Amino acid sequence: NAGVTQTPKFRVLKTGQSMTLLCAQDMNHEYMYWYRQDPGMGLRLIHYSVGEGTTAKGEVPDGYNVSRLKKQNFLLGLESAAPSQTSVYFCAGAAIGGTEAFFGQGTRLTVV
Amino acid sequence: AQTVTQSQPEMSVQEAETVTLSCTYDTSESDYYLFWYKQPPSRQMILVIRQEAYKQQNATENRFSVNFQKAAKSFSLKISDSQLGDAAMYFCAYRSAPNSGYALNFGKGTSLLVTP
Repeated sequence: NAGVTQTPKFRVLKTGQSMTLLCAQDMNHEYMYWYRQDPGMGLRLIHYSVGEGTTAKGEVPDGYNVSRLKKQNFLLGLESAAPSQTSVYFCAGAAIGGTEAFFGQGTRLTVV
Repeated sequence: AQTVTQSQPEMSVQEAETVTLSCTYDTSESDYYLFWYKQPPSRQMILVIRQEAYKQQNATENRFSVNFQKAAKSFSLKISDSQLGDAAMYFCAYRSAPNSGYALNFGKGTSLLVTP
């Protein structure tokens, strides 16, 4: 039972490069979320999805895109990475009617 | 969006003692959930305790308990008999309404240091 799995766990990018973070869940979660965590800022919501084929903006969506083509996967894309996107990224999932969000182990991204 | 405020960036407690972490929130909703998450150095987000707003009884999980004051919009976490393994960052979180996908709104966190 893998739960919520993020790939990769670490990544270093150069400014202007693009990349995709993958979040995969095997818990049949309807809702999925991408957060970023910065020192002294807590976790802030980037984008979320309430079901397959749906996405919506969170608190800090600029510079990111997402897709939910399959229920079990939620992808976070950076088209042109900037140093301000250096952060730890967390994916989470939750079930309809559920009260708990389950988090992945996080991805530490450094943009130089 | 609902605002969650943790006013203590850092707290320290001696092993076996009790510590209380503070959290306040702002909402116009009457039914909602509140959570405390623990984040140890491993970075994993671990659910410590949850509280349903319509339940007047404060939630308890072993050494962890909350003081939920709905009218004051206050949700503090009490850790009894503190252990070295309790050292971590603690986040208070509010679960948003369905139209925001039930996303969690987090406070900025409180770093808890446990001294021998």
